[in-house]
Amino acid sequence: DTAVSQTPKYLVTQMGNDKSIKCEQNLGHDTMYWYKQDSKKFLKIMFSYNNKELIINETVPNRFSPKSPDKAHLNLHINSLELGDSAVYFCASSHSTGLGELFFGEGSRLTVL
Amino acid sequence: LAKTTQPISMDSYEGQEVNITCSHNNIATNDYITWYQQFPSQGPRFIIQGYKTKVTNEVASLFIPADRKSSTLSLPRVSLSDTAVYYCLVTIYNQGGKLIFGQGTELSVKP
Repeated sequence: DTAVSQTPKYLVTQMGNDKSIKCEQNLGHDTMYWYKQDSKKFLKIMFSYNNKELIINETVPNRFSPKSPDKAHLNLHINSLELGDSAVYFCASSHSTGLGELFFGEGSRLTVL
Repeated sequence: LAKTTQPISMDSYEGQEVNITCSHNNIATNDYITWYQQFPSQGPRFIIQGYKTKVTNEVASLFIPADRKSSTLSLPRVSLSDTAVYYCLVTIYNQGGKLIFGQGTELSVKP
């Protein structure tokens, strides 16, 4: 069983479209995250949810809207996709918001044409 | 948040011990040092975390001097499968999930 799973793994779409990436964790963790990795390999946090409540929002454009229906799921919806949104998006989870290990998914590679 | 600096790349051979040093000059009192490993097309994977002196687990050792302005990740007897990018991070005690990843060190292990 995959601990943190994301779908889809690859996504190719046109500018202006709306798309979603789904994430599920089966670790029983309270906290989930979305990270973005650009072409230069820099990983940057976008959002964090703890028990379905938003706790970190790192100056991400309003076109990005996370949704957490329950603490095991954190989905990312992106409106009006732009070329600069092309990146690998990683979902992660952790036991709490304090110290400790983050468990990352395998990533979802988004390509905007 | 404390910024980290580490070598962009390192080369090694199978069976050698690899030490990757990271500097974090403005680390704060409540900050911890954490290392992650990332293979191509995969998400980062936690390796080790420490506050001071030495921490060891089944994968690596982490050495942190008394001033905590730097740290060294030590990988004993590397194999080809240790080829990956290694990230040094400074983690705030009550913001453990807000990881700030730098450029990382791309380790290449050769036969």
